[in-house]
Amino acid sequence: AQRVTQPEKLLSVFKGAPVELKCNYSYSGSPELFWYVQYSRQRLQLLLRHISRESIKGFTADLNKGETSFHLKKPFAQEEDSAMYYCALLVGGYQKVTFGTGTKLQVIP
Amino acid sequence: EAGVAQSPRYKIIEKRQSVAFWCNPISGHATLYWYQQILGQGPKLLIQFQNNGVVDDSQLPKDRFSAERLKGVDSTLKIQPAKLEDSAVYLCASSLGRVSRGTQYFGPGTRLLVL
Repeated sequence: AQRVTQPEKLLSVFKGAPVELKCNYSYSGSPELFWYVQYSRQRLQLLLRHISRESIKGFTADLNKGETSFHLKKPFAQEEDSAMYYCALLVGGYQKVTFGTGTKLQVIP
Repeated sequence: EAGVAQSPRYKIIEKRQSVAFWCNPISGHATLYWYQQILGQGPKLLIQFQNNGVVDDSQLPKDRFSAERLKGVDSTLKIQPAKLEDSAVYLCASSLGRVSRGTQYFGPGTRLLVL
């Protein structure tokens, strides 16, 4: 069965410092991975997905099949990046998404 | 475009009572999901509809939870009878279906407290 692991419940960094939110997955098929974000008092929303190879709000994530990882990175953290971040794995033809437990990013001014 | 709507936003009930949640997805979205999010955990899929058919309900506790999506649009999720461990946020999400490739749009959630 598929599984998504986010080892850190809380990550605190200073403003301007680099950020790396870790995500590891287990899935025997070809994975599609995503990062979702939930800002305070807002809805859960898609941040980025690996197939798009895009940078959103300065965040990037590279799929490493060898390490089964999809870590989220940003070179310089900003206060508005403080939020809950969920890594998610898409499986199957019917678009089932499995979420990790989430990491709370706290950017300290 | 209007987002996914859910009601009520908050609900407090006593154990063994019944409760129902409503979701209105984004117009034209074929796929609708109900998730349960317990405090400190990620969203867990309870049931997934494709139009008005169920495609995955493997994690739905069917002895007490039920869901329907009449006419392939709105959906209701019911718990009968509720247990203390059902206290959670219930999220509804929708997507265009296979073409969306995992992009889901979430509602604000219903926060349920079972006393």
